[in-house]
Amino acid sequence: GDQVEQSPSALSLHEGTGSALRCNFTTTMRAVQWFRKNSRGSLINLFYLASGTKENGRLKSAFDSKERYSTLHIRDAQLEDSGTYFCAAGASSGSWQLIFGSGTQLTVMP
Amino acid sequence: EAAVTQSPRNKVTVTGGNVTLSCRQTNSHNYMYWYRQDTGHGLRLIHYSYGAGNLQIGDVPDGYKATRTTQEDFFLLLELASPSQTSLYFCASSPGLGDSYEQYFGPGTRLTVL
Repeated sequence: GDQVEQSPSALSLHEGTGSALRCNFTTTMRAVQWFRKNSRGSLINLFYLASGTKENGRLKSAFDSKERYSTLHIRDAQLEDSGTYFCAAGASSGSWQLIFGSGTQLTVMP
Repeated sequence: EAAVTQSPRNKVTVTGGNVTLSCRQTNSHNYMYWYRQDTGHGLRLIHYSYGAGNLQIGDVPDGYKATRTTQEDFFLLLELASPSQTSLYFCASSPGLGDSYEQYFGPGTRLTVL
């Protein structure tokens, strides 16, 4: 089965509200990276974590290797936050490969 | 900031056509990767390389060849393109050192096979 399970697959938010995206891992991962694919199709690098939490503006991410999950919290959502969000995790094999989740399609509505 | 560029940004070809996608990174990273991304799917690894002249098979390699000519340049070749290869292609690089898995992505190439 998939090693990285991302949820939800789609999410709608009104401007000013917030929510969380989650990735569960079926095996121990050494690091996680979060991306947003914007309307032009480019992948924007949001966070890279080997442990703990990071925050950048209205976004905050956490990674717990032992409990096998990572989260991305969005607060005060804005229209420009719309896009597809991906998590990707590095497995413990040391092959420097990332395994991607299937993405969350976020729509922020006025 | 890591810099990864791809060309072309958009490409249309016909079934059976020959296509080469180019990727260049200017950060002396060891690893380079080619992915495809389709609606409803995450990025899927086609091929990757850990240095000039090296090639490793990814998860979805069928129908694709790749070549790493220099530290900076990684090419993806579709010698007999098929409509199933219509997709958004991303190139990425990473240092491949220590414990860092962080990858830096190019802007993507949208390929349409008619």
